[in-house]
Amino acid sequence: DGGITQSPKYLFRKEGQNVTLSCEQNLNHDAMYWYRQDPGQGLRLIYYSQIVNDFQKGDIAEGYSVSREKKESFPLTVTSAQKNPTAFYLCASRGQGGLNQPQHFGDGTRLSIL
Amino acid sequence: DQQVKQNSPSLSVQEGRISILNCDYTNSMFDYFLWYKKYPAEGPTFLISISSIKDKNEDGRFTVFLNKSAKHLSLHIVPSQPGDSAVYFCAASARGSSNTGKLIFGQGTTLQVKP
Repeated sequence: DGGITQSPKYLFRKEGQNVTLSCEQNLNHDAMYWYRQDPGQGLRLIYYSQIVNDFQKGDIAEGYSVSREKKESFPLTVTSAQKNPTAFYLCASRGQGGLNQPQHFGDGTRLSIL
Repeated sequence: DQQVKQNSPSLSVQEGRISILNCDYTNSMFDYFLWYKKYPAEGPTFLISISSIKDKNEDGRFTVFLNKSAKHLSLHIVPSQPGDSAVYFCAASARGSSNTGKLIFGQGTTLQVKP
């Protein structure tokens, strides 16, 4: 059953702590994305990767880091430099079949501060 | 600077009637538009899309209309069903970004379909 798996579903962070959110896909998609959603707002792009070992900053990359060592995996680290990390984090992937392909999303991770 | 705007935070319609969700954009470089549906605590699911070379795209109960001169698009759901109750996001991508797939999202509209 192909899809995008995000874990954990809920995560709590202490002040000054780094936490890593997992995103795995078995859709054989080259491109992967991380978004943040805050209440009453749309999704904002944090980082994206079009190919293994390559990634670019999105609109709100400060306080976040990513890696793309494998095609299937695109973990997001929320560092202590991110002063307002409480949000719903969504990972997406996109295939290469044509110019206009929709992104497909995981079910998200909700991050809260203790 | 909100390039994609959904000015109605919420919409309530009766089951069986038409739901119309609206979206405005400011960037004339946008050439591909999508609608996503999102249930609470889940990720968005892709509904329907439209390219800027078209003014209408239909898929079952869902139709998206694009008015390029007004920089406006709308999603029509006919007939509306209680299971359609969710948050709907409009998204857009610009020429040159279609190879990266970068999307700009609106704030979302919460649709409630009453039985």
